[in-house]
Amino acid sequence: DAKTTQPPSMDCAEGRAANLPCNHSTISGNEYVYWYRQIHSQGPQYIIHGLKNNETNEMASLIITEDRKSSTLILPHATLRDTAVYYCIVRAGGTSYGKLTFGQGTILTVHP
Amino acid sequence: EPEVTQTPSHQVTQMGQEVILRCVPISNHLYFYWYRQILGQKVEFLVSFYNNEISEKSEIFDDQFSVERPDGSNFTLKIRSTKLEDSAMYFCASEGGRVSTDTQYFGPGTRLTVL
Repeated sequence: DAKTTQPPSMDCAEGRAANLPCNHSTISGNEYVYWYRQIHSQGPQYIIHGLKNNETNEMASLIITEDRKSSTLILPHATLRDTAVYYCIVRAGGTSYGKLTFGQGTILTVHP
Repeated sequence: EPEVTQTPSHQVTQMGQEVILRCVPISNHLYFYWYRQILGQKVEFLVSFYNNEISEKSEIFDDQFSVERPDGSNFTLKIRSTKLEDSAMYFCASEGGRVSTDTQYFGPGTRLTVL
């Protein structure tokens, strides 16, 4: 699976949009971009995933660049409860139900 | 909403003892996983399990570890003779495996402390 690069930490004011970038320049055609987050030592929580089109769900939006070499997770109105470590993970789709490879992620701190 | 559950939430054991960590995956899921996270470190893959056999395992998953799906609902991780360095959070995950863009859902974890 392709490697991802994320900033180690980011800050955001409560109520503002949090935009978390991820670089995955070696992504291949059948690999999806997944975002998870982990609050304290809880189990990783799935947020969203996509292949090449932008995706939106009740938690967040995922913007993938046209060349698919990078993506941005957008939390439209961050709250204090969104403070967590956010992981961008690339994994093959199709029949490849494989492991998720976690990096260090981005520590997002939402301030009042 | 269906969720992965794990028991116990915290397990304390003496070095050299056997422990069994239990997970109930989301029903009708087909793929099952164990991960661990040592305090302050990354979440690490241990093993994946499908169709009653291991489909992939990491270097961490040595002969001291085993997994089993003893019935239609439980998925267990056994550590035969625990070491101090096995102290970690252990997370179970499951995935449907019915569509190509499936998603792994994680349980809350079991904190294993080896004394």
